[in-house]
Amino acid sequence: QQQVKQSPQSLIVQKGGISIINCAYENTAFDYFPWYQQFPGKGPALLIAIRPDVSEKKEGRFTISFNKSAKQFSLHIMDSQPGDSATYFCAASMVTGTASKLTFGTGTRLQVTL
Amino acid sequence: NAGVTQTPKFQVLKTGQSMTLQCAQDMNHEYMSWYRQDPGMGLRLIHYSVGAGITDQGEVPNGYNVSRSTTEDFPLRLLSAAPSQTSVYFCASSTQHGTQYFGPGTRLTVL
Repeated sequence: QQQVKQSPQSLIVQKGGISIINCAYENTAFDYFPWYQQFPGKGPALLIAIRPDVSEKKEGRFTISFNKSAKQFSLHIMDSQPGDSATYFCAASMVTGTASKLTFGTGTRLQVTL
Repeated sequence: NAGVTQTPKFQVLKTGQSMTLQCAQDMNHEYMSWYRQDPGMGLRLIHYSVGAGITDQGEVPNGYNVSRSTTEDFPLRLLSAAPSQTSVYFCASSTQHGTQYFGPGTRLTVL
C-alpha cells in the first residue's frame, strides 16, 4: 500500500520552463514533508522540506506548496535548467517511538531540454 | 568529514550466497537506516537503528539482518541471497529527528 503517491512518473520540460511534481498522502500523522533530488549513480540529497503548519516554502528556484486539507503537496521548479535533470522523490515523515521514519513516493524523472 | 560511506559499490552474487554490505558515518548520528531502491517503487525502508545496540524492522525486512555495535557502523547482512534482492541499497544517517544523509549506494545483482 503506497502511503505517498507521486506523479508524474517522468517529466520533460524546456529550459526556462516550470517543472511541477505532485504528491498526495493518506496518513494525517505525517508531520514533515521533504523533497529529495537524486542524480544518476548518487544517493538522494535533501532539496527542500516543509512542515504542515505553513502553506508554502521557497528556496531559490524551488518552492513547495502544501495543502493540508487536501493532503497534497507539490514541488515547483521555476526557470528549470539542464542541471536540474534528476530524479525527484517526495517523502513524508512521522515520529514513531524514538525515531522519525521516512516514507517515499515512487519518484519523478525530470529531463530539462535545451 | 566523509559523511556516509558504503562498500562495495557493486556486487554480483549467486543465489544462496551470503554477504554483508558495509555502512559507516562520521557525523556522530544516532539514527541510521537501510533502504532499497527499485524502479518505480521509490526507496523502501529495510531496517533502522536509533543507537548502538538498538535496531528495528522497516517496511521490507525479510531476508536481511542488521546489528549496531558502534555509533559509526551499521552493516546489512543478506543471509541467503535471492534474485528478488537485486536492487540498489542505500544507507542513511541523521540526528534523531533531523535530515537524513544518504550514502552513494551499493548496486547488488543476484543471479
